Amino acid sequence: DAKTTQPPSMDCAEGRAANLPCNHSTISGNEYVYWYRQIHSQGPQYIIHGLKNNETNEMASLIITEDRKSSTLILPHATLRDTAVYYCIAYTGAGSYQLTFGKGTKLSVIP
Amino acid sequence: NAGVTQTPKFQVLKTGQSMTLQCAQDMNHNSMYWYRQDPGMGLRLIYYSASEGTTDKGEVPNGYNVSRLNKREFSLRLESAAPSQTSVYFCASSGWGTGTGTTDTQYFGPGTRLTVL
Repeated sequence: DAKTTQPPSMDCAEGRAANLPCNHSTISGNEYVYWYRQIHSQGPQYIIHGLKNNETNEMASLIITEDRKSSTLILPHATLRDTAVYYCIAYTGAGSYQLTFGKGTKLSVIP
Repeated sequence: NAGVTQTPKFQVLKTGQSMTLQCAQDMNHNSMYWYRQDPGMGLRLIYYSASEGTTDKGEVPNGYNVSRLNKREFSLRLESAAPSQTSVYFCASSGWGTGTGTTDTQYFGPGTRLTVL
């Protein structure tokens, strides 16, 4: 699976949109971009994933550049409960099995 | 719908003791996984089961055994615990066509915090 690069930490004011960037310049055509988060020491929580098109669900939006070399996870109205480590992962799905969690981005939502 | 459940939540063992970590999922998923997470580190895959009746080694299988008991349950056994196995253990499951995706999205349990003295 392709390597991803994320900033180690970011701050966001409560109620504002949090935009978390991810670079994946070596992503292959069959690799999806997945986002998970881990709040404190809880189990990783799936947020969203996409292949080419932008995606939105009840938790977040995922914007993928046309060349697929980078993406941005958007939490539209960050709350204190969104403080977590966010992981961007390039993953083909069935067949590769292992999700490779890097260091992620520590998002701190500030009151 | 509980998702992925793990027992116990916490465990303290002495070196050389054995124990089994239990995992169950109620999402009718085919695949199940065991990961470990050491402090300040990412998750590393120990074993996985692509489907009922099959198991395969992941990145760090030494010192562990697994059993896919049925489609719902996947257990991880430490035969002779060592301090290096002190970690948080996460079970996950995945299945095609579930949730929002057409890929094999993995969903995680809450973890078992294991300390080996």
